[in-house]
Amino acid sequence: AQTVTQSQPEMSVQEAETVTLSCTYDTSESDYYLFWYKQPPSRQMILVIRQEAYKQQNATENRFSVNFQKAAKSFSLKISDSQLGDAAMYFCAYRRWQGGSEKLVFGKGTKLTVNP
Amino acid sequence: GAGVSQTPSNKVTEKGKYVELRCDPISGHTALYWYRQSLGQGPEFLIYFQGTGAADDSGLPNDRFFAVRPEGSVSTLKIQRTERGDSAVYLCASSLKALGSGETQYFGPGTRLLVL
Repeated sequence: AQTVTQSQPEMSVQEAETVTLSCTYDTSESDYYLFWYKQPPSRQMILVIRQEAYKQQNATENRFSVNFQKAAKSFSLKISDSQLGDAAMYFCAYRRWQGGSEKLVFGKGTKLTVNP
Repeated sequence: GAGVSQTPSNKVTEKGKYVELRCDPISGHTALYWYRQSLGQGPEFLIYFQGTGAADDSGLPNDRFFAVRPEGSVSTLKIQRTERGDSAVYLCASSLKALGSGETQYFGPGTRLLVL
């Protein structure tokens, strides 16, 4: 079964600094998709970044980038030049495709605090 | 609309009552998903619709839970004989299509259900 593990329940970073959130996953599939979602107190899950497993190049979106290590099944998120608005819960998710069904499997999340 | 909308935003009910939670997906999105997020956890998959049909309802916890999407757009999650353990945030998401394409799922703001 696919599982997603986020080993850091909480992280903090100073404004303008860089922080890395960890995520590991377990799968027997060779082709899959990985996502990072941000959930502020408003509850809305917002896509931060996605990575296709068949792509060797790490995905980047402005200040957000990932370090995708396929062999190690690791998918960490790096936030550069942290801003106060980055404070939120961050969830790593694995896209599971099986038997005609598609679903996301989420980790338990990491709460990120940004200190001014 | 511009995004996924869910109503009501909050719902308080008494144990044993029946509740309906509504989801309006992004226009044109054929795939629709329901997830449940308990306190301190990541979202967990409940059910996936492709068009009008439930392609995968394996995440529904028991037969008190049921969901419909009669016209392939709006979906309603129905919970009978609610229990205190049903208290959670119910999230809806939609994507342009599924079928193994890895399309991004866009989430609504959720409905917070509290069963007293």
